[in-house]
Amino acid sequence: SQQGEEDPQALSIQEGENATMNCSYKTSINNLQWYRQNSGRGLVHLILIRSNEREKHSGRLRVTLDTSKKSSSLLITASRAADTASYFCAYKYIFGTGTRLKVLA
Amino acid sequence: EAEVAQSPRYKITEKSQAVAFWCDPISGHATLYWYRQILGQGPELLVQFQDESVVDDSQLPKDRFSAERLKGVDSTLKIQPAELGDSAMYLCASSLPGGGFMNTEAFFGQGTRLTVV
Repeated sequence: SQQGEEDPQALSIQEGENATMNCSYKTSINNLQWYRQNSGRGLVHLILIRSNEREKHSGRLRVTLDTSKKSSSLLITASRAADTASYFCAYKYIFGTGTRLKVLA
Repeated sequence: EAEVAQSPRYKITEKSQAVAFWCDPISGHATLYWYRQILGQGPELLVQFQDESVVDDSQLPKDRFSAERLKGVDSTLKIQPAELGDSAMYLCASSLPGGGFMNTEAFFGQGTRLTVV
């Protein structure tokens, strides 16, 4: 399977803390994307980072990409209860296994 | 705000019956994807269309699944006969021409949750 792997599988933090999730992938890429999925709903695009970029920011989100290690990380700063969701990385048409984030108020 | 429409939202069907899902992508989006997502896992691509043509259906179980996008707009995914293991969320997504996962984001519908009993 070419499916990417994410870790941790689940993460529980307090509101205000930072959350970091990691994604490893298996092939060469043009870009890597991160999506959020609220329980039982569709996926929402968060951020896209191109293969020639090392880091990208969008609001409270920070994404890094290391093509030599075939890995990416998503950092959510100052987390809120509304950030509770599953987070997936995606490259080409392939999604990772996801990290379930729970932010406790 | 434009969105990808899917129906039905929920479907319960008996094993061996036929079931169909419908997707209407965002207007102007030439690329359409069908994904299957088993509870607790990431979505897995079933089929990708570019306009009315199939680009990739390598992961589509063709003995029981079929997909069509006859006029290059809306699309139907069918399962016949349904099996217990088909219980999952079926997600449709669309993207601009030349976009999609190669260059830009994909927009997802709310999905159809299928339960086979």
